[in-house]
Amino acid sequence: RKEVEQDPGPFNVPEGATVAFNCTYSNSASQSFFWYRQDCRKEPKLLMSVYSSGNEDGRFTAQLNRASQYISLLIRDSKLSDSATYLCAVNRGSQGNLIFGKGTKLSVKP
Amino acid sequence: EAGVTQFPSHSVIEKGQTVTLRCDPISGHDNLYWYRRVMGKEIKFLLHFVKESKQDESGMPNNRFLAERTGGTYSTLKVQPAELEDSGVYFCASSQPDRDAGNEQFFGPGTRLTVL
Repeated sequence: RKEVEQDPGPFNVPEGATVAFNCTYSNSASQSFFWYRQDCRKEPKLLMSVYSSGNEDGRFTAQLNRASQYISLLIRDSKLSDSATYLCAVNRGSQGNLIFGKGTKLSVKP
Repeated sequence: EAGVTQFPSHSVIEKGQTVTLRCDPISGHDNLYWYRRVMGKEIKFLLHFVKESKQDESGMPNNRFLAERTGGTYSTLKVQPAELEDSGVYFCASSQPDRDAGNEQFFGPGTRLTVL
């Protein structure tokens, strides 16, 4: 079993839709959680860190559920420009390496 | 503020040759990481520097890979001799841990390595 798992998608949604992604992690010692966005043939760009209390940044909301060991990303009012692959990343230690999922592909259609 | 930069952006070499990749982290970042994405797989960790010291090199595939970070600034990753399975995109990331933001890592554009 992979340490970090994501539904690969693709998620095909119309503009304006709300879409949610989940990511599960297997190591209960995981401490930090992140969502990255990756466009085709580009580097991962940090979208948001995920805090225990949940956090929101504009149209994006991230949640952490430690009991069930998953994190989620909710995108409201989807834009064409949101089309990308969304990567979940988990950090076991305070400064250690990230463990990535394979990513979930989102395609927002007009 | 300049981001993480990597050189070259692409490299095509033949099996058995040597290639050296370079990463310049964000100025002031003590942590520097190398990752690799092989086609169809997830991004995987290779190693981690704190300043000039190797903190964790558990992800290095074998002794054909050598990473250095002399002086604690830029880092190089040398592959010698390259094999076909070394093809992929090599990403560098840097971070400066923050008590509130945690260890947010910022990635460079990557080096796409093709071994023929």
